Amino acid sequence: GIQVEQSPPDLILQEGANSTLRCNFSDSVNNLQWFHQNPWGQLINLFYIPSGTKQNGRLSATTVATERYSLLYISSSQTTDSGVYFCAVYTGTASKLTFGTGTRLQVTL
Amino acid sequence: DSGVTQTPKHLITATGQRVTLRCSPRSGDLSVYWYQQSLDQGLQFLIQYYNGEERAKGNILERFSAQQFPDLHSELNLSSLELGDSALYFCASSLSVASYEQYFGPGTRLTVT
Repeated sequence: GIQVEQSPPDLILQEGANSTLRCNFSDSVNNLQWFHQNPWGQLINLFYIPSGTKQNGRLSATTVATERYSLLYISSSQTTDSGVYFCAVYTGTASKLTFGTGTRLQVTL
Repeated sequence: DSGVTQTPKHLITATGQRVTLRCSPRSGDLSVYWYQQSLDQGLQFLIQYYNGEERAKGNILERFSAQQFPDLHSELNLSSLELGDSALYFCASSLSVASYEQYFGPGTRLTVT
């Protein structure tokens, strides 16, 4: 099946810093979602992004499906950004999401 | 708030027991998915239902079963529980069966002792 790799696996930032998280996938995908799992375990939808670039406040995402990767940018990070960021892809005709390995982000004061 | 509800939030039970997890999808969504998140396996797809019918199966054990009812809520039944079944179980919903955006509920944390 498809492999979804995320990097870096862990990231520690000071508040106010910017970061880029990467998601590589091994095969063609129909679509891609980014999630933030907060410290309470809840999965929050960030972006639904098959291609191109989207922005939502301090966060933006870019997917280049032909090159099989997506990037999540976090600017001016805040402590509330801490948690695990997952990308997840749709493949073939199935509606299931295959999740990446996640990037654990810690934002410190 | 995603609009997907799950009950209970937490469940502690003993090995060998059976439990039922419940999920109500977002208003208007016809597809329901179940995922399991464990420390060693990450987030894995278990099963999908669309408008009452099973549509796709993932890494779901034979001891686990699910169904979707006419009002579109879904239940995941876990039986003969083992310590390794301890995990966070998520329900998600989407509008239809194609590559529509999935929205996740808050999860049910199951602890098997």
